[in-house]
Amino acid sequence: AQSVTQLGSHVSVSEGALVLLRCNYSSSVPPYLFWYVQYPNQGLQLLLKYTSAATLVKGINGFEAEFKKSETSFHLTKPSAHMSDAAEYFCAVRRGGSQGNLIFGKGTKLSVKP
Amino acid sequence: ETGVTQSPTHLIKTRGQQVTLRCSSQSGHNTVSWYQQALGQGPQFIFQYYREEENGRGNFPPRFSGLQFPNYSSELNVNALELDDSALYLCASSKSLAGGPGELFFGEGSRLTVL
Repeated sequence: AQSVTQLGSHVSVSEGALVLLRCNYSSSVPPYLFWYVQYPNQGLQLLLKYTSAATLVKGINGFEAEFKKSETSFHLTKPSAHMSDAAEYFCAVRRGGSQGNLIFGKGTKLSVKP
Repeated sequence: ETGVTQSPTHLIKTRGQQVTLRCSSQSGHNTVSWYQQALGQGPQFIFQYYREEENGRGNFPPRFSGLQFPNYSSELNVNALELDDSALYLCASSKSLAGGPGELFFGEGSRLTVL
């Protein structure tokens, strides 16, 4: 069975600092992995997705994530945080491979200090 | 291109009542799925509809039911509401199940409060 674990329910960084949000996955099949962002009172927006084409995935708003099979990780990074990055971030794995539903982590709330 | 729209955005019900939430898919999408997001939690899969048939269901009781219409819009119905049903209900649409991990496009959700 697939699952994801997000380490840290709340991360706080200063504006301009590196953003690192951690996600570890468990999957018995090659995983399809996703990062979504949720701004207050809004739905989920896809940041990026891993579908086995490349281990380093670039997404929107300057975010990227690296798939590391040996560490079963898919951490999200951004070199320089912006105030507008403050939101909740969810890592997700697609159940059963390519067509199943998404299984989400519990989320990490990112705060950005001026 | 019209995105995924949900209605109502907010509603309040009392325990034991029934509720219907509605979702219009993004243009060109024929698959709709519903997720429940409790406060402080990640979304949890309720069920998915493809060509008007339910083709996947999460760990939710039968009082959670749904429909998909010929125009691919969808409804989520919850009977005998319980306090724990208070949550944000998210609808997501995607293209056909065939050929690769289709991207889910989410609506902004319907926030249900059960008193």
